[in-house]
Amino acid sequence: NAGVTQTPKFRVLKTGQSMTLLCAQDMNHEYMYWYRQDPGMGLRLIHYSVGEGTTAKGEVPDGYNVSRLKKQNFLLGLESAAPSQTSVYFCASSRLQGTYPLHFGDGTRLSIL
Amino acid sequence: DQQVKQNSPSLSVQEGRISILNCDYTNSMFDYFLWYKKYPAEGPTFLISISSIKDKNEDGRFTVFLNKSAKHLSLHIVPSQPGDSAVYFCAASGPTSGTYKYIFGTGTRLKVLA
Repeated sequence: NAGVTQTPKFRVLKTGQSMTLLCAQDMNHEYMYWYRQDPGMGLRLIHYSVGEGTTAKGEVPDGYNVSRLKKQNFLLGLESAAPSQTSVYFCASSRLQGTYPLHFGDGTRLSIL
Repeated sequence: DQQVKQNSPSLSVQEGRISILNCDYTNSMFDYFLWYKKYPAEGPTFLISISSIKDKNEDGRFTVFLNKSAKHLSLHIVPSQPGDSAVYFCAASGPTSGTYKYIFGTGTRLKVLA
């Protein structure tokens, strides 16, 4: 049982390049989330989805887009990467909202030069 | 405006002793609280949670206490083991504009000394 799988695990980009981070979950969870982790900042919510075909903005959505075309997948896109987007990105999913824990992937470490 | 705060960036404890990690929150709408453990190069893993209708929840060596009037929760690890060395995040969730948001603290790095 893989849980939440993120690809790629590492990536280096140049400023202005674009890329997509993929998150896949096999737990049939309705809710999916993208967080970024920066030193001293904890985990900050970028975007989230409450079901297939839906997306919503979190705390720090600027510079990112997301799509949830299939229930099991949640994609995070950077259209024009900036050095400020250098971070570790975590995808998470949960069965329902409310009193259910988030299940996290192992992260994607992204460096933008 | 940080709604969930972990004011101690790090903590060192001797093996076998108690580790106490603290977390404060400001939003009275939060009704579910979680603790996560994170090892380097891995994602956070769920440890224990507590609903706002309780003031204590235990799971083996881990106990979470909730003081709603003080908007404070703590995680007790007894006895502490070297394998507990990790970064611990507290998180809170509650209804915000019709949906639930999970807000995380900045983490406390626990080091258990053998």
